[in-house]
Order: sequence, then C-alpha cells, then structure tokens
Amino acid sequence: DTGVSQNPRHKITKRGQNVTFRCDPISEHNRLYWYRQTLGQGPEFLTYFQNEAQLEKSRLLSDRFSAERPKGSFSTLEIQRTEQGDSAMYLCASRPAGAQETQYFGPGTRLLVL
Amino acid sequence: QQQVKQSPQSLIVQKGGISIINCAYENTAFDYFPWYQQFPGKGPALLIAIRPDVSEKKEGRFTISFNKSAKQFSLHIMDSQPGDSATYFCAASRGMGAQKLVFGQGTRLTINP
Repeated sequence: DTGVSQNPRHKITKRGQNVTFRCDPISEHNRLYWYRQTLGQGPEFLTYFQNEAQLEKSRLLSDRFSAERPKGSFSTLEIQRTEQGDSAMYLCASRPAGAQETQYFGPGTRLLVL
Repeated sequence: QQQVKQSPQSLIVQKGGISIINCAYENTAFDYFPWYQQFPGKGPALLIAIRPDVSEKKEGRFTISFNKSAKQFSLHIMDSQPGDSATYFCAASRGMGAQKLVFGQGTRLTINP
C-alpha cells in the first residue's frame, strides 16, 4: 500500500499525559499537512510542511502542540499535557510539489483523552 | 469565522435517486473547490474537484455545479447507490501558499435500498 499511513490508529490516554503521532506520507510528496477532526465536523487545518520546513501553523495549534518533519519524509505531531478537549481524529495528508492541488489523506489517529 | 457552509447536515435518498449537497463560501480568493467522501474509520478521499473558470464538471455519476457570482457550489450524485452512503465534505483553498483546505461541516448521506 503506497498511501499515507498513520500510527497509531487509536490512542487512549489520561489527561496530562503526552502523546505522539506519526505520519508517513506518500513517497516523494514534499508537502505534508495535519488536520484535526472532531465528531460531526469537517477537518480543521493545523499545520503544513514543505519538505522539512514548517511554513504555516493555525491558531488552533496551541503551545502544547508541536509538529516536526526532520528529514522531509515522515512527520510527528506531539501533544503535551493532554486535555479532554484534545480528543479528536488527527488526520495527515500529503501532496506532491507543483500545481496539482489534490491532498491525499491517511486513515487518521483517533485520540481519546480520559 | 466559518468560511465554508454546507447543507444539509444529513440526507436520505432512495436508491436510484439524485443526491444534492450544497456549499457556500465567503472568501473570494478561493480558487479550488474539491469534494471529499469519508467512510467511518477512514480518512477523506477526493471525489471530484473544480476550479472557478468552469461552471460544471462531471465525472461518472458525480457532478459539481459552480456559481461564482453566488459563491456557491454543489455536488450532485446521480443514480445514487447504497455504496454511496458516507459523509461528504466540500472544501475550498487558495491557489497560493500552503493551499490548506477549509472544509464544510459535512453531510451524512444515506441511500436506502
């Protein structure tokens, strides 16, 4: 399968714990996006990488959230001191360079904070 | 500020009927309008997309109609099938920069056999 992969698929944690999610984009896609989707809502943009550079962050991304893409390939999203309001599906998408706009989404990581 | 408004929230259509989902946007800088389909437990998958230089785009049973002056666009699913039962999201993005997608709230479509 050469699609976008995300791990873990599900994560249950207690409030105050730190969690880290991983996204492996489609090979040679230099653009990578993180979105958050709460129940019954559309995905909301969190942050965007072009290669290893984080070029844009949403105001939704509080200082407890940090994302990295150290070698321009896979990316990680870490949430520190989780809160119940962080419970959501975290989606990763990737896109190739150039004018083609289609973003290809992974299956997501569903986070539940107890 | 909600930039893309989608309706209806849920829709039930008989098999073989036409499903119609509508979206309205506010930001006139948007120039790419995709529709995504999402099944439970899966990520969104691109169905069809349109740019504002055309008023209609058709791919198989799926058609996007676009009204630039009204800042509205809609998805029509012809001959709807039970396998089309899913949540549908409209989205919009600007051509420059990150091209981050701004999504509507979603429509849960159920096709009754």
